[in-house]
Amino acid sequence: KQEVTQIPAALSVPEGENLVLNCSFTDSAIYNLQWFRQDPGKGLTSLLLIQSSQREQTSGRLNASLDKSSGRSTLYIAASQPGDSATYLCAVPSSNTGKLIFGQGTTLQVKP
Amino acid sequence: GAVVSQHPSWVICKSGTSVKIECRSLDFQATTMFWYRQFPKQSLMLMATSNEGSKATYEQGVEKDKFLINHASLTLSTLTVTSAHPEDSSFYICSASGGRAGTGELFFGEGSRLTVL
Repeated sequence: KQEVTQIPAALSVPEGENLVLNCSFTDSAIYNLQWFRQDPGKGLTSLLLIQSSQREQTSGRLNASLDKSSGRSTLYIAASQPGDSATYLCAVPSSNTGKLIFGQGTTLQVKP
Repeated sequence: GAVVSQHPSWVICKSGTSVKIECRSLDFQATTMFWYRQFPKQSLMLMATSNEGSKATYEQGVEKDKFLINHASLTLSTLTVTSAHPEDSSFYICSASGGRAGTGELFFGEGSRLTVL
């Protein structure tokens, strides 16, 4: 059974810092991995999608990497801004059902 | 990215009434949509998979008669919470696959907050 874990659960950094959010999964036979952002009381915004054949994806100040063999993905945020404050979720589809399995999320606070 | 819209964004109702939440894919067709429920400070819990033109598939522990799902068209799925009770108060989110064919990328609606008095 696939399990997704995100560490840390919460993170507080000063503005301008580069930071890394971690996501690990127990079953390396994944089709893809997706990173989302969720603001309080809002839905999810898709940030990056990495296919199983890819090692990383970049969008602006965000870079997501994928290492299937070790069951890990990282989301790198460069030059963090207060507007980056949100909960970040990673998710992978179950190899059996295709349904998304989410991590518990990392709540990020970027202080001005 | 693809756009998924939910309506209403928030609703307050009395106990015993029914509430309908709509999920629309605005710029793509979605044969499959997913309904999630989220409690405060918790991750999303999949409730059911909505399939266009057929019955929804419910996750274990989710009452299908309580949470009615209809996916009558390729752009609209509805979730009806019947005879709502305060414990049904939650944040409901839908998603649909809207990425390039075969990518499996999912896009989410803005969520609907239900409060049952």
